[in-house]
Parts: sequence; structure tokens; C-alpha cells
Amino acid sequence: GENVEQHPSTLSVQEGDSAVIKCTYSDSASNYFPWYKQELGKGPQLIIDIRSNVGEKKDQRIAVTLNKTAKHFSLHITETQPEDSAVYFCAASREGGATNKLIFGTGTLLAVQP
Amino acid sequence: EAGVAQSPRYKIIEKRQSVAFWCNPISGHATLYWYQQILGQGPKLLIQFQNNGVVDDSQLPKDRFSAERLKGVDSTLKIQPAKLEDSAVYLCASSLDGGRIGGEAFFGQGTRLTVV
Repeated sequence: GENVEQHPSTLSVQEGDSAVIKCTYSDSASNYFPWYKQELGKGPQLIIDIRSNVGEKKDQRIAVTLNKTAKHFSLHITETQPEDSAVYFCAASREGGATNKLIFGTGTLLAVQP
Repeated sequence: EAGVAQSPRYKIIEKRQSVAFWCNPISGHATLYWYQQILGQGPKLLIQFQNNGVVDDSQLPKDRFSAERLKGVDSTLKIQPAKLEDSAVYLCASSLDGGRIGGEAFFGQGTRLTVV
């Protein structure tokens, strides 16, 4: 069945450094790849997404890249700040299909040390 | 714009009891999802509604879980009887129209269920 693998499971960086989280998906029909940030006791919050017709998207300190051939996509956070500390989830889905359910990765706990 | 509302925030029940969760999606959103998030894992889809019709319930344990979406707006998810392994956070999400391009999903804060 569909599967999304996410690495690393935990990531600790110093404030100001960059953080990279990588995901691999199995369903070649997936065409929508969102990233969610989940803080303790809260629901996941969409922070950035990318569709299969582009290879890269950037929003201030956050960027996402997509390699459709390899079925890889990655989240890049530059100039990390303590408030970036949270669990980050990648996901994949088929937009425009009969069901566009999100298949989530297992999450990455990012800790930004001041 | 108000977000996805869920209640209750927390619930503790004994195994074999029943429990119900409520969700009010963002106004105008046609698609509503219920996800189950077990501690340390990513959310897993239980059921997806398009208006008041079920689109996908393939992962819903239908012997104990049921869900409905009244008049295509609010939704309730019920578990009867609960098992210990049902302990999780139940997340409701909605999107403008999940079947077309641009259907980003927005999540509520979730209901944390503990079965003892």
C-alpha cells in the first residue's frame, strides 16, 4: 500500500543553523506534498506544500524540494529559531483523485538549541 | 476565519465504554476528514466525507467505529466499545474541496482519548 518514510526521527540543531528533513513516498501517482508543523497539544499546521509540476518552492526561511524520479522530497529550514522547535510531518496525496487522503510520514522532532 | 473546532479536548474512559467526538469544519469546506494519531506516529485517515457522503472509510474499524456528517456540516465520530489500543488523538480536518487542485487540509486541535 501507500507509504511515506521520513528521516531523521529526531534532529537537534543550534540556533541559526539549517535543518533538513527528508521523505520518500511509494505511490508514483502522488502529486501533492504538504509539510505540517505540530506543536505540543495542538493539531498539525500546514507550513508549506509543493505540487508535482514544480521542483522547488520557497517561503521566507522555509523551502521544499521535490524529485519525482526518485520519489523524494525534502524540507529545508534556514536560520533556525527556538520557535521552530516542534514535530514536523511530511505527507503525500493524489489531488484530483476520488480520494485525496494524506499519507503521513512518522514525524521528525526538531529541537533548536538557543 | 474560524478554524476547525473539536470537542471535547480530552476524554478518559474505561475499556468497553462508548465515546463520541464532535467536529465543526471551516465554513464552506465540503470535505471533512477524521484522522487517528497514535503517540509517536503520523496521523492515519479513518474516514473522509465529501459533503455528507462517505468517500473513503477503508481504514475505519467498522465493528466499533462509526461516523456521520449531519447535513454536510458538523460531524461526529463514535467508538463503541472502546479498546485500550484506541488511545490516541483524534484529529478532524477540512478542506474546501478535497477532490480538486488547491484542497489544502486544515486541522483542528484534536481530542486526546485515553482508554484505561
